[in-house]
Amino acid sequence: QVQLKETGPDLVQLTQTLSITCTVSGFSLTTYNVHWVRQPPGKGLEWMGAMWNGGGTDYNSAFKSRLSISRDTSKSQVFLKMNSLQTDDTAKYFCARHGATRVYDYWGQGVMVTVSS
Amino acid sequence: DVQMTQSPYNLAASPGESVSINCKASKSISKYLAWYQQKPGKANKLLIYDGSTLQSGIPSRFSGSGSGTDFTLTIRSLEPEDFGLYYCQQHNEYPYTFGAGTKLELK
Repeated sequence: QVQLKETGPDLVQLTQTLSITCTVSGFSLTTYNVHWVRQPPGKGLEWMGAMWNGGGTDYNSAFKSRLSISRDTSKSQVFLKMNSLQTDDTAKYFCARHGATRVYDYWGQGVMVTVSS
Repeated sequence: DVQMTQSPYNLAASPGESVSINCKASKSISKYLAWYQQKPGKANKLLIYDGSTLQSGIPSRFSGSGSGTDFTLTIRSLEPEDFGLYYCQQHNEYPYTFGAGTKLELK
């Protein structure tokens, strides 16, 4: 069955770099897209960026040049890297499958990341 | 970016009742509006997309309507498992944007 699982640190220091891995199963990264969405505590969802099935990427301009998304198709993994973390980057980070319907039909459970000073 | 205004912020209801949640886009998004349910400890669940298309496996008591800028999610005959957070999302253009959420609570 389709599964997505995010793994990453619970705590990241201020100004440091966040790295999260999304490991997928039950589908191919060359057929479906994987997007990243985050949710600060008690707040709404924010689209961060996309890894397209062809290998291209798109980013929310709100993250300027801080964000990078990549993948390893042989390991069925998509990676998020974001640098210069600030306290308002404290959030739960989700990866989600995106396909022909242009919506997220499967989500990971998310990983909660706290940025600490 | 398209701003999504969701209302109400909180909603209290009893099992068996029907409720509606509204979502308004700052500009036309055609039919491209999705609804998700969020519950603690569970993955977010896609309920409706393209405004009114029911995702496979979602009970028919959930329905969506609207187009352009105004959309509604209706849940008929609430079941205990329906209580939680609901979010709308426009999937017409990037960046995708979400509403602030509606907390559906047990009255």
